[in-house]
Amino acid sequence: GQQLNQSPQSMFIQEGEDVSMNCTSSSIFNTWLWYKQDPGEGPVLLIALYKAGELTSNGRLTAQFGITRKDSFLNISASIPSDVGIYFCAQGGSEKLVFGKGTKLTVNP
Amino acid sequence: GAGVSQTPSNKVTEKGKYVELRCDPISGHTALYWYRQSLGQGPEFLIYFQGTGAADDSGLPNDRFFAVRPEGSVSTLKIQRTERGDSAVYLCASGREHTDTQYFGPGTRLTVL
Repeated sequence: GQQLNQSPQSMFIQEGEDVSMNCTSSSIFNTWLWYKQDPGEGPVLLIALYKAGELTSNGRLTAQFGITRKDSFLNISASIPSDVGIYFCAQGGSEKLVFGKGTKLTVNP
Repeated sequence: GAGVSQTPSNKVTEKGKYVELRCDPISGHTALYWYRQSLGQGPEFLIYFQGTGAADDSGLPNDRFFAVRPEGSVSTLKIQRTERGDSAVYLCASGREHTDTQYFGPGTRLTVL
């Protein structure tokens, strides 16, 4: 079945640093999604990507849909304490989503 | 406007008991999804409703699990004869038809003792 490999599993950074995380898939899909989950909350959509090579920004967040359509990365620039949380990549269309295992981000002030 | 709400927020039950988890989607959203999230994992798909009908229930782990959405709005996930391995956070999401944007609720944390 479809698998998403997300790395790194966790990151510990200092406030102000840039962060990069990525996701690879065993299958080709048409949509890459990046979510953030805070403790006790459901995931919240950050960025959606629909085309190979697409680069999309949302404030300090930038994500790219890989040319091979099997990978994506998410960058966070100038991290702040509220960036703490778990970031998930996901694939899917209007039906079920398949999620990676997440990257847990810790930001030290 | 109100987001997706789920009740209860926490449920503790004993092995073998029956539980019901409720999801109130965003008003007007025709699509409704249930996911299960175990500790340290991403959400895993269980079932998807379009209107009142289950369009895809391929993620339900076995026949102890079933879900209904009788009027195309509120949905209930029902688990019979609960087992300790059912302990997880059950997430509900809703969305507009033909869109990939799913809005998640805060989840119900189920603990089976």
